Amino acid sequence: KNEVEQSPQNLTAQEGEFITINCSYSVGISALHWLQQHPGGGIVSLFMLSSGKKKHGRLIATINIQEKHSSLHITASHPRDSAVYICAVKGAQKLVFGQGTRLTINP
Amino acid sequence: EPEVTQTPSHQVTQMGQEVILRCVPISNHLYFYWYRQILGQKVEFLVSFYNNEISEKSEIFDDQFSVERPDGSNFTLKIRSTKLEDSAMYFCASGEAGGWTGELFFGEGSRLTVL
Repeated sequence: KNEVEQSPQNLTAQEGEFITINCSYSVGISALHWLQQHPGGGIVSLFMLSSGKKKHGRLIATINIQEKHSSLHITASHPRDSAVYICAVKGAQKLVFGQGTRLTINP
Repeated sequence: EPEVTQTPSHQVTQMGQEVILRCVPISNHLYFYWYRQILGQKVEFLVSFYNNEISEKSEIFDDQFSVERPDGSNFTLKIRSTKLEDSAMYFCASGEAGGWTGELFFGEGSRLTVL
């Protein structure tokens, strides 16, 4: 059974700060997703990655398959980045989700 | 941009009633999923569906749950006799490819409240 752990569980920062959210998982996977959950509950897929690094705007996601670890970075954070960020790992079919990291960016 | 749509956005029902949650996946997608999130908890996998049949289901997906693709566009989740503990946000997701490479697209969710 794959366990997915995220840290920190809660993170509060000031606008402009560099943010890092970490995800560790326990067994081999094929791909890892980073998701953003809005206050209203809707989920948006940010990245799917199986190796290396991906960048989209101010968001960067990295994964180290050997260490079973991924990080999500946000540069120049903004209050609109406030959301819950969820790491989910993928086997053949289903996703297994982490508990999420609640990020609050204060102006 | 194509999106996954879910209805209703919120449903309140009495315990023991049947509920149908509807999803319209992205039109060229072949893989469909239901997930649920009980308030304050992790998102959990319920069921995956491909080629008009269930491909995988979790232990949560017992006999009171069923899924259907009734008309080639909708993908429904039916809960036959709701219980208080079925109160949750239910998310539909679809993907063009399954297995190792499939990116998933989520709907906005349907919030079910069982009284």
